[in-house]
Amino acid sequence: KNEVEQSPQNLTAQEGEFITINCSYSVGISALHWLQQHPGGGIVSLFMLSSGKKKHGRLIATINIQEKHSSLHITASHPRDSAVYICAVTLGSNYKLTFGKGTLLTVNP
Amino acid sequence: DVKVTQSSRYLVKRTGEKVFLECVQDMDHENMFWYRQDPGLGLRLIYFSYDVKMKEKGDIPEGYSVSREKKERFSLILESASTNQTSMYLCASSLKLSLLWTTEAFFGQGTRLTVV
Repeated sequence: KNEVEQSPQNLTAQEGEFITINCSYSVGISALHWLQQHPGGGIVSLFMLSSGKKKHGRLIATINIQEKHSSLHITASHPRDSAVYICAVTLGSNYKLTFGKGTLLTVNP
Repeated sequence: DVKVTQSSRYLVKRTGEKVFLECVQDMDHENMFWYRQDPGLGLRLIYFSYDVKMKEKGDIPEGYSVSREKKERFSLILESASTNQTSMYLCASSLKLSLLWTTEAFFGQGTRLTVV
């Protein structure tokens, strides 16, 4: 069983829609990361959080430590947001990232 | 602007060849990682290093080795390339702030390796 589960696997939205991607994990973590990967491109770190909520532009990430759950929200989605969004966790004192399998987001104009 | 640079974007090698994938970071990070990414499997850790000359096996180290002679450079070596090593390879680095805490990870652009 994967320690990090993401949903949905695929998501298609119309431009302007509010988008939510979910991430659940099964063990205690020291931090949770949201990453973005464009087709053929490298990976960019969007957020690293261990509690509460962070906001950057139209992106918001929240985490509930008790429920072992995090969400990534995109407000007023745009076709350039189309990418794979990956949730990853750092487990305790281990520096390694454990990844979810990603959510492929397609935003249509 | 922080940077993790991988030496090649695309690479084609023959079965049995020795392959070197190079990664250089300019952020003075202690931690460096090599991952491979495959459809349906996501990212999997091959090896990581938390200091010069230090290395630890990740989840799938078989068929790979690594070298970290300098802090800024982390090399992944395929001793004898095989077709099942055809994949996207990603390097990453992070700063070790304390025993329990690191900064976010910074990733290179990836090397798409095809072994024929």
